[in-house]
Amino acid sequence: AQSVSQHNHHVILSEAASLELGCNYSYGGTVNLFWYVQYPGQHLQLLLKYFSGDPLVKGIKGFEAEFIKSKFSFNLRKPSVQWSDTAEYFCAVNSYNQGGKLIFGQGTELSVKP
Amino acid sequence: DTEVTQTPKHLVMGMTNKKSLKCEQHMGHRAMYWYKQKAKKPPELMFVYSYEKLSINESVPSRFSPECPNSSLLNLHLHALQPEDSALYLCASMPGQGADYGYTFGSGTRLTVV
Repeated sequence: AQSVSQHNHHVILSEAASLELGCNYSYGGTVNLFWYVQYPGQHLQLLLKYFSGDPLVKGIKGFEAEFIKSKFSFNLRKPSVQWSDTAEYFCAVNSYNQGGKLIFGQGTELSVKP
Repeated sequence: DTEVTQTPKHLVMGMTNKKSLKCEQHMGHRAMYWYKQKAKKPPELMFVYSYEKLSINESVPSRFSPECPNSSLLNLHLHALQPEDSALYLCASMPGQGADYGYTFGSGTRLTVV
């Protein structure tokens, strides 16, 4: 079965530190990959997505992610985090034979200290 | 209009009540989804409607009853819920049920069962 694994459950950083959140998925076919952010008490917002093409994807708020097919990974990065980036981050995958079903990772809670 | 609108935003109901959640989109999307999200957990798929027909039911208890009266509207009827059903209920839509698209999520209904 398809699954998504996020390695870090809780990450604590100081402002201006660099961020990398890991995401690995298990599925051998063609997939689409997503990162969502959920600020405290708010709904899911799409940060970025990869469907095809350039494996380095740029999203909103200065985030980017790199798709490495050989490693089944789609890690999220940001060069310099801000206090306002404090949120829960979810990696998600869907595939062509899943009828649009989005499979989420368990999430990573990011706390940024001012 | 590029939004998915969910009402109400908050709902408190007793275990013997009957209530309904509403989701509306006017983007012409033909696939609509209900997800359930508990605190600090990823969203879990409940139902998928494609072209107004139920295509996926993820073994959801019968106390949750979905309905898709037309291509713009998705309801979730609630009856005899349990306190453990308290969660954020998210609606999402896509142009079609395939994997070539990204979701548009609504802001959710925060449900509390007392």
